[in-house]
Amino acid sequence: QQQVKQSPQSLIVQKGGISIINCAYENTAFDYFPWYQQFPGKGPALLIAIRPDVSEKKEGRFTISFNKSAKQFSLHIMDSQPGDSATYFCAASHGGTASKLTFGTGTRLQVTL
Amino acid sequence: GAGVSQSPSNKVTEKGKDVELRCDPISGHTALYWYRQRLGQGLEFLIYFQGNSAPDKSGLPSDRFSAERTGESVSTLTIQRTQQEDSAVYLCASSFQPGSSYEQYFGPGTRLTVT
Repeated sequence: QQQVKQSPQSLIVQKGGISIINCAYENTAFDYFPWYQQFPGKGPALLIAIRPDVSEKKEGRFTISFNKSAKQFSLHIMDSQPGDSATYFCAASHGGTASKLTFGTGTRLQVTL
Repeated sequence: GAGVSQSPSNKVTEKGKDVELRCDPISGHTALYWYRQRLGQGLEFLIYFQGNSAPDKSGLPSDRFSAERTGESVSTLTIQRTQQEDSAVYLCASSFQPGSSYEQYFGPGTRLTVT
């Protein structure tokens, strides 16, 4: 049973555009929602994370929007740059599980010139 | 400072052979996690260590998979009698303590190919 569903599978955005990746979860016990960025041949690296007590978190060009009632959260990358081209994973965890992460299937983002 | 390191970076093995994958976490990190990433899929949790003990082994897919951690440092993931479906990238992560207040830092992974 996949507990975190991610879409789209791939995304092509022009430089300067907005990249939007969506995730939906099922387990209402989840209380921590990070996004990871992965470049080829590298391990994932934490990009930004949110907890359900806020609806939005912004760090530079990256924003997480969170909708607790809909059990959905999304990553917005403003002013997308070619260097943002990577695979992005959403994830979720809850405190009772020592924060083992449940990941979405990933979105391959390509930012074109 | 040094990040999480894993070895080997690539491993090709024949079906039925045993393999050992190694993880060196960040020094001082008490929590260590193993994940598996199949081609085109997200990461799947395998096992979690707090110190040298493994309170959560719920993600290990079969009894062919085992892991240990010694000296609250190095961890080894062993796959016995490998099968083609074991082909994946195996990722290790460590954090200072368990819990979402502490970031999980991932290693580069070991790409396992079973022929």
